[in-house]
Amino acid sequence: GAVVSQHPSWVICKSGTSVKIECRSLDFQATTMFWYRQFPKQSLMLMATSNEGSKATYEQGVEKDKFLINHASLTLSTLTVTSAHPEDSSFYICSARLGSVYEQYFGPGTRLTVT
Amino acid sequence: QKEVEQNSGPLSVPEGAIASLNCTYSDRGSQSFFWYRQYSGKSPELIMSIYSNGDKEDGRFTAQLNKASQYVSLLIRDSQPSDSATYLCAVNIRKGGFKTIFGAGTRLFVKA
Repeated sequence: GAVVSQHPSWVICKSGTSVKIECRSLDFQATTMFWYRQFPKQSLMLMATSNEGSKATYEQGVEKDKFLINHASLTLSTLTVTSAHPEDSSFYICSARLGSVYEQYFGPGTRLTVT
Repeated sequence: QKEVEQNSGPLSVPEGAIASLNCTYSDRGSQSFFWYRQYSGKSPELIMSIYSNGDKEDGRFTAQLNKASQYVSLLIRDSQPSDSATYLCAVNIRKGGFKTIFGAGTRLFVKA
C-alpha cells in the first residue's frame, strides 16, 4: 500500500502559539489530501480537502483562518493551527488519495496538546 | 438518513469465530467502497476496497457489496484477539467532486 507520513507525531504547545503539521505522500503523487480531527472515543471528522495548487475546501464549522492549509506540491500538504487553545487539543490525521475514485491512505496522525 | 451508517457495537465474538460487520449507504450513485481498521490511539488502516457487486476475498477478510440494497459488509474469518479494533466503512460519493464519507465505526472485541 501507499505510504503517508506525518510530522510531528506529537506536539505540546502553549495557548496562543501556532503549530504546523506536515503530511507527505512518500511513494505516490496525491491529487488530493485530506485533514481530519478525532477526539477521544469519537469518529473521524473531516476538516478540509486540499488539492495541489488550489485553495482548500473547508467543511462547515471549520474556521479557515484558524486552520491554515497549504498544499504546496503533489506530495506535501501542511496544516497550521493558529493561536491554538486547549480545546484544539486533538488527534489530527491526514490522508492522501491517488485519484478521485480510489482509496485514501492515512498518515500516522499527530497528537496535539495545548496547555 | 445518514450517508453511511454502521452499528456502533460493540460486537463481541469468541476467538476463531466469524465476525460480521455491516454498513449501509444512501447515495445510489456510489461506486467505491472501503473498509478501514483503526486501533485505539492509531490512525485508520485500509483493509479492503471493493468496487463491484459480489464478494472480494483477501486472506481472512471478505468484503461483500450489494449495490441494489445499498449494503456493504466485511466478514472476518477465524477472528483473533488482534482483530479487536474499530472498523470504519467508507463510501465515495459524488458531492462537489468525489468525497469519501466515513461511517462512525463498529467496535469489535474478539475474546480469547
